[in-house]
Amino acid sequence: KQEVTQIPAALSVPEGENLVLNCSFTDSAIYNLQWFRQDPGKGLTSLLLIQSSQREQTSGRLNASLDKSSGRSTLYIAASQPGDSATYLCAVPTDSWGKFQFGAGTQVVVTP
Amino acid sequence: GAVVSQHPSWVICKSGTSVKIECRSLDFQATTMFWYRQFPKQSLMLMATSNEGSKATYEQGVEKDKFLINHASLTLSTLTVTSAHPEDSSFYICSARDREAAGEQYFGPGTRLTVT
Repeated sequence: KQEVTQIPAALSVPEGENLVLNCSFTDSAIYNLQWFRQDPGKGLTSLLLIQSSQREQTSGRLNASLDKSSGRSTLYIAASQPGDSATYLCAVPTDSWGKFQFGAGTQVVVTP
Repeated sequence: GAVVSQHPSWVICKSGTSVKIECRSLDFQATTMFWYRQFPKQSLMLMATSNEGSKATYEQGVEKDKFLINHASLTLSTLTVTSAHPEDSSFYICSARDREAAGEQYFGPGTRLTVT
C-alpha cells in the first residue's frame, strides 16, 4: 500500500526566505505526483502536477522536483511572502482512476 | 479553469437525521468523482469513488449504508450521510476527474458538517 510522508509537519520562516517542503512515497510506480495548497477551512488549490516521466515542474515562484527512484519530491517556494502561509499537501494517485493518497501536510507560516 | 462546486458549504444537523451534500462539475464532464473526509488537523482520507451510472466503490472501513453515494449524471454526485452522529462531524471534500483533459482532477471547496 502506498504511503506518503511529509516533512516537516510545520515550518515558520521570515518573509523573503526560501521554503523547502519534502514529500516521500513508498511505492515508486506512480502515475504522477501533485502538490496542493489548503487554506484553513477551505478546499484544495492545485499548485503543480508532475508526471512520472518528468523530473521537475515550475510555476512562478514554485518549483517541484520528482525523483521516482528514491521516492521523493520536493517543493521549493522562492522568496516567501506572508500570503504563502497555508498547509501544503502532496498526493499520489494509487490507481489509474486517480484515487489520491495524501500526505499529512506541512503547515507553513511566513512572518512579515 | 475547471470548477467544482459543493453545496452546502456548511451544514449543522441534529443527531439521527440525514444530510445530503452535492458535488457538481460546472464546466466539464466527470465520469469519476471522489469523496474525501478530513478531520481537524488531519489530512484527507478517501472515502469512496463515484462512477457515473454505477455503484460507488467504498474504501475499507467506510460504511456504504451510512454514506450513500449517487452519481446520476456526468456533472453531479451526491453524498448522503444517513443517521448522522457527532463523530460524523468533519470536512467533506469532493474531486471530479475531467474525462477530456487527460483525467486531471479538480477539487471542490468542501462542506463542513457539524452534527449536534
